[in-house]
Amino acid sequence: NAGVTQTPKFQVLKTGQSMTLQCAQDMNHNSMYWYRQDPGMGLRLIYYSASEGTTDKGEVPNGYNVSRLNKREFSLRLESAAPSQTSVYFCASSASTGRLNSPLHFGNGTRLTVT
Amino acid sequence: AQSVAQPEDQVNVAEGNPLTVKCTYSVSGNPYLFWYVQYPNRGLQFLLKYITGDNLVKGSYGFEAEFNKSQTSFHLKKPSALVSDSALYFCAVSKSGGYQKVTFGTGTKLQVIP
Repeated sequence: NAGVTQTPKFQVLKTGQSMTLQCAQDMNHNSMYWYRQDPGMGLRLIYYSASEGTTDKGEVPNGYNVSRLNKREFSLRLESAAPSQTSVYFCASSASTGRLNSPLHFGNGTRLTVT
Repeated sequence: AQSVAQPEDQVNVAEGNPLTVKCTYSVSGNPYLFWYVQYPNRGLQFLLKYITGDNLVKGSYGFEAEFNKSQTSFHLKKPSALVSDSALYFCAVSKSGGYQKVTFGTGTKLQVIP
């Protein structure tokens, strides 16, 4: 059971460079999410996709874009990286956004450093 | 606005002793409460949840949590700690608005000392 797979695991970017973080889930989940994790701040939602074909902003969307490529895949793009985007990024999925009795499943994260 | 507080950045406990990781929340209406665990270099894993019903919720790996509405708390407990329980623990809350409305705490690092 692969669950939620994220690539890459590590990335170093220079300020202004762009990159795309990839995420795929094999659990047939409708909803997918991107979070960032910073020390002392817990997890903050960047963007989410309630279902294939829809995306919405979360708590901290500035500087990011997303694409729900199909039901399995949800990518996060940094168009012009900034040092403030240095963080650990997690992708997650769930059966649906509204079914809180069905847990979130997380990938292992991407550790991004922007210099 | 909803919020969740984990007042201890780190909790140290001796192996075999009971452990408690504290969580308090603030939300209008009935809360959905969760505990997740994060092992080093891994994503968060679901431990348990409170939706409704019994105040004592049992979860994975022998963990349990007690929902206390009057104290707005949802403390995580385990009767006998294992070294392998050492990890980062996150409490989370939602007011039934869906996962896009879930607020995570800042995390508590649990260190179980052999």
